[in-house]
Amino acid sequence: DTGVSQNPRHKITKRGQNVTFRCDPISEHNRLYWYRQTLGQGPEFLTYFQNEAQLEKSRLLSDRFSAERPKGSFSTLEIQRTEQGDSAMYLCASSLGGQFYEQYFGPGTRLTVT
Amino acid sequence: EDQVTQSPEALRLQEGESSSLNCSYTVSGLRGLFWYRQDPGKGPEFLFTLYSAGEEKEKERLKATLTKKESFLHITAPKPEDSATYLCAVQTRKAAGNKLTFGGGTRVLVKP
Repeated sequence: DTGVSQNPRHKITKRGQNVTFRCDPISEHNRLYWYRQTLGQGPEFLTYFQNEAQLEKSRLLSDRFSAERPKGSFSTLEIQRTEQGDSAMYLCASSLGGQFYEQYFGPGTRLTVT
Repeated sequence: EDQVTQSPEALRLQEGESSSLNCSYTVSGLRGLFWYRQDPGKGPEFLFTLYSAGEEKEKERLKATLTKKESFLHITAPKPEDSATYLCAVQTRKAAGNKLTFGGGTRVLVKP
């Protein structure tokens, strides 16, 4: 299967701990996106990368959140000093960019902060 | 600010009972409107892209249409396996990097 993959699928952590999620996009896609989805809501944009450059960050992305995409391949999303309000599904998507607009999503990482 | 509203929030159908889901949007400079299907605990699965008013796309029992203010997803003779949350999203010309703005989704349950 050559779709978007995310690890881990589930993460339970205690408040105040740091967590890191990984996303591996479809190999030929140069754009990578992170979204957050809470129960009963649609996904909300967090940030996106064009190759290795992080080009936009949402206001939702507080300074406790950081994302990287070294060498324009996989990406990581780190949350420092987690809070209960960070509990959500974190979704990664990728696209070809240019005139190809469809984004393909991974299975998500479900974060529970206790 | 771009806004996307989906209705109804939930829909219960009998198998074979056709219905329509609505996605209304207020954006400046629509580039594209996207429909996704999401099963519980999974990521959204791409269904359709619509770019201009009057455009229609079909896939099996699903048909998506677009006007200047809204989009409809028609489900014809649904089966239980069509049960899912259907998400609508827009991209605007001014949105950096083609980010998507989603509606809240419509949860569809098809009973046999």
